[in-house]
Order: sequence, then C-alpha cells, then structure tokens
Amino acid sequence: GDSVTQMEGPVTLSEEAFLTINCTYTATGYPSLFWYVQYPGEGLQLLLKATKADDKGSNKGFEATYRKETTSFHLEKGSVQVSDSAVYFCALSDLTGGFKTIFGAGTRLFVKA
Amino acid sequence: GAGVSQTPSNKVTEKGKYVELRCDPISGHTALYWYRQSLGQGPEFLIYFQGTGAADDSGLPNDRFFAVRPEGSVSTLKIQRTERGDSAVYLCASSKGGSETQYFGPGTRLLVL
Repeated sequence: GDSVTQMEGPVTLSEEAFLTINCTYTATGYPSLFWYVQYPGEGLQLLLKATKADDKGSNKGFEATYRKETTSFHLEKGSVQVSDSAVYFCALSDLTGGFKTIFGAGTRLFVKA
Repeated sequence: GAGVSQTPSNKVTEKGKYVELRCDPISGHTALYWYRQSLGQGPEFLIYFQGTGAADDSGLPNDRFFAVRPEGSVSTLKIQRTERGDSAVYLCASSKGGSETQYFGPGTRLLVL
C-alpha cells in the first residue's frame, strides 16, 4: 500500500540555519504530496502542496519539489526562525486509492535563538 | 469564518465504556474525514464521508468503531467497549470535495484508563 517515510527527529538548528527535512513516498498511482505543520498547542495546518511531478510548492519561505524519479518531496527553508519550531508531517493523497491522506511519522524541529 | 470544531477537547473514560466524539466541519464542506494520531506518530486514516455516506471506511480498526454523518454536516465517531489501546488524539478534517485541501480540527484527546 501507499506509504510515506520522513527523517526522524528531533532536528535542532540555530536561527538562520538552512533546513532540510527528507521525505520519500511509495504510491501505486499519481499522488498529490503535502507538507503539514503542527505548532505547539495548535492543530494541523497545510503548509504547502504539489499535485504533479516537477511542481514546486512554497509558503512562508518553505519549499518542496515533487520529484517523481526519486519519489521524494523534501522540505527546505533557507533561513529558519525560532517561530518555525514545530512538528512537520509529509503526506500523500492518491485518488486511485480513495481520498484518504497517508501521513509520515512527523519530524520535530527545534530552532534555537 | 469558523474552522472545524471538535468536542470534547479531552475525554477520560474507563476500559469497557462507550464514547462519542463529535466533529463540526466547515460550513459547506461536503467531505469529512476522521483520523487517529497516537503519540509520536502521524495521523492514521479511519473513515471518509462524502455527504451522508461513508465513501471509505477501510481505516476503522475493528467493529468497535463506527461513525455517522446523518445530515451531511456534523459527524460522530462512536467507540464501543473502549480499550486502553484506543487512547489517542482523534482528528477530524473537512474539505469542499474529496480532492480538495483538508482543514483539520484541534482534535479530541481520548484517554482510556
């Protein structure tokens, strides 16, 4: 079945450091890919998405490119802030398998001032 | 406008008891999803409604779990004969249609003693 694998955390960075969180997926069809973020004490929020190969999703300085050849959707940000501290979830939704969303286990990011 | 709301925010019950968890989706959203999130894990799909009908209930773990959405708006997730392993955060999400962005509620934290 479909699955998502993302790098284990926690990831600890200093402010203004470069961030990469790796995500790879397995899907039988042509999934849409997502990054969700969960800030402390808040619910899940969609951060960005990409619906087809080579699409780049971007929001709040974060970017991720849908790479079909490597089945990856790595999240990047050039300069993290303390306020980016949160748990990040990579996810996919494959319409050939129904409308459910499959999530990775999450990666906790701590950013130090 | 108002987001997805879930009640109660916390529920403590004893093993063997029956519980109901409620989800109020965003007005006008026809699709509604239930997920379960265990500590340190990503959300796990339970069931998806399109309108009043369950379009995909493949994620329900066993017949103790049941969900309804009788009028195509509010949904109730029902758990019979609760077990300690049912302890988790139960998340609800809604979207305009099955393939649209899902908006998540804050979740109900269920603890079975």
